Amino acid sequence: DTAVSQTPKYLVTQMGNDKSIKCEQNLGHDTMYWYKQDSKKFLKIMFSYNNKELIINETVPNRFSPKSPDKAHLNLHINSLELGDSAVYFCASSPTGVGGYTFGSGTRLTVV
Amino acid sequence: QKEVEQNSGPLSVPEGAIASLNCTYSDRGSQSFFWYRQYSGKSPELIMFIYSNGDKEDGRFTAQLNKASQYVSLLIRDSQPSDSATYLCAVKGFGNEKLTFGTGTRLTIIP
Repeated sequence: DTAVSQTPKYLVTQMGNDKSIKCEQNLGHDTMYWYKQDSKKFLKIMFSYNNKELIINETVPNRFSPKSPDKAHLNLHINSLELGDSAVYFCASSPTGVGGYTFGSGTRLTVV
Repeated sequence: QKEVEQNSGPLSVPEGAIASLNCTYSDRGSQSFFWYRQYSGKSPELIMFIYSNGDKEDGRFTAQLNKASQYVSLLIRDSQPSDSATYLCAVKGFGNEKLTFGTGTRLTIIP
């Protein structure tokens, strides 16, 4: 199936831990994104990569570090997790220039 | 002022009626406009996009764009209970890959 896939779907972890979320797309898109959706359902962009290059880096704590090994993959590593990091994180991809995004199924992160 | 504004709802519409969802945006340079539907616990899925002033129809859905008024709307005709979801308006600027989302409108179709 052509899609954007993220793993894991659920992540429960303690404060202070480090965790990673992986994302892969097989749609042939050049651009990938990470969005955070908070408890009020507001979707806010965090990062965007175009062909492995960082093109959007919104105001996000340095504890969040994206990594794109190739244009089909965009991973998100989070250091020293805090309670406020609890949210749903969505990966998405799009063709460059036109069209909307295709979203992955999301990763629900709960920090306890 | 928020970049993309939507009434959060909830908006309740009887089954078979027309649901009207509205969105305003602040950046006059915005070039393309999108409507996403998000069911509870699921990811957003693209319903429609529109680039030019006027109406664009796709089945039961019609997107309307008025760039002078910085206003986008989505009409859903013959509303069905399966249309109950949160509808997200999103806007993309010129030469900018970033989609800026509104906070969404929660729509409930009453059987």
